[in-house]
Amino acid sequence: GESVGLHLPTLSVQEGDNSIINCAYSNSASDYFIWYKQESGKGPQFIIDIRSNMDKRQGQRVTVLLNKTVKHLSLQIAATQPGDSAVYFCAESSGSARQLTFGSGTQLTVLP
Amino acid sequence: EAGVVQSPRYKIIEKKQPVAFWCNPISGHNTLYWYLQNLGQGPELLIRYENEEAVDDSQLPKDRFSAERLKGVDSTLKIQPAELGDSAVYLCASSLDFDPAINEQFFGPGTRLTVL
Repeated sequence: GESVGLHLPTLSVQEGDNSIINCAYSNSASDYFIWYKQESGKGPQFIIDIRSNMDKRQGQRVTVLLNKTVKHLSLQIAATQPGDSAVYFCAESSGSARQLTFGSGTQLTVLP
Repeated sequence: EAGVVQSPRYKIIEKKQPVAFWCNPISGHNTLYWYLQNLGQGPELLIRYENEEAVDDSQLPKDRFSAERLKGVDSTLKIQPAELGDSAVYLCASSLDFDPAINEQFFGPGTRLTVL
């Protein structure tokens, strides 16, 4: 079946550096994508989203890039802070059911 | 404003025992979701409610899992009997309406189930 997956299960960055988390998806009909942040013991929290008619969207310290040609999504976090340490999931939605399909997650660790 | 509330936060039971999870969504949210999350994996949808109606339960193992949403507000997810493989985090989420492209899903903290 269709799936959404991540390239790397773990990522460690120095505090202050930029982080890039990648996600590959396989459903060419996906038209809406979300990045979630999940801290230990908490539910996923919405970070930023992007629709398939866009290539880039920026938020506060975060940017999402969408490459529909290669079915690739990335989350860039600028000036990574200790509070950014968490598991990050990408999710996609498509079709009339509008069900969210999540990837398997990347653990981001920010080193002091 | 209170977020999605779930209880209990943790539950340890022996296999073959029944277990129930409770969810109180954000006030005014018509859509309620139950997700299953295995360690290191993303959430997987079990069931979606629009008000009190279960409109998508295709991923719910109906031989042992059941759910209800009385009066279109609180919801309960039950497993009977529990199996070892049911150990996971059960997440509840709610949104104003079902389309995630328009309505953000807000997640509760989850119930971590351990089946011994």
